[in-house]
Amino acid sequence: EPEVTQTPSHQVTQMGQEVILRCVPISNHLYFYWYRQILGQKVEFLVSFYNNEISEKSEIFDDQFSVERPDGSNFTLKIRSTKLEDSAMYFCASRASGNTGELFFGEGSRLTVL
Amino acid sequence: AQTVTQSQPEMSVQEAETVTLSCTYDTSESDYYLFWYKQPPSRQMILVIRQEAYKQQNATENRFSVNFQKAAKSFSLKISDSQLGDAAMYFCAYRKGGTSGSRLTFGEGTQLTVNP
Repeated sequence: EPEVTQTPSHQVTQMGQEVILRCVPISNHLYFYWYRQILGQKVEFLVSFYNNEISEKSEIFDDQFSVERPDGSNFTLKIRSTKLEDSAMYFCASRASGNTGELFFGEGSRLTVL
Repeated sequence: AQTVTQSQPEMSVQEAETVTLSCTYDTSESDYYLFWYKQPPSRQMILVIRQEAYKQQNATENRFSVNFQKAAKSFSLKISDSQLGDAAMYFCAYRKGGTSGSRLTFGEGTQLTVNP
């Protein structure tokens, strides 16, 4: 069964460093998302991406965040200068076209900022 | 803005029994979708069941069913014949209809424990 894959599963970084989280969405999906879950809190929307551009972003997704689909298969989330409060599980998701399509989630990338 | 509320941080059920998880939401939209996602310890979010707002009939997927009360903006999940593998965090989620409003808004989650 096709699935969304994410790498790395866990990354530890120093505050101020840049981090890139990678995702390979399901191949025929057209909509891509990043969500964040701080430990013990709810899952929060960061950004959605469609047709090679951001279609929606939340207030969390400030200038230190960026997304890219560099090669037609990968979908990346870059955090330019990490802060302690960026420590969280980051989930990538993708969705096929159509209004009722469900989101398929990856297993998440745990980011720890020291 | 749409909000989703799960008022039960934790629930427990005996194996083979039935449990109901509650969810309420707030929206001014008429076209939307509601979901229950399961997040086991492996952390991956797995879709359990989906309900389209325009459908009056409650969705059912094997042992999982919902009680969708549109006027009350309530969307509860019933798990029948609970199994040990059902133990997980369950999230209720809302998505506005139409391709422009495709973000999911999640509730706080309910941690379900299944006792043998």
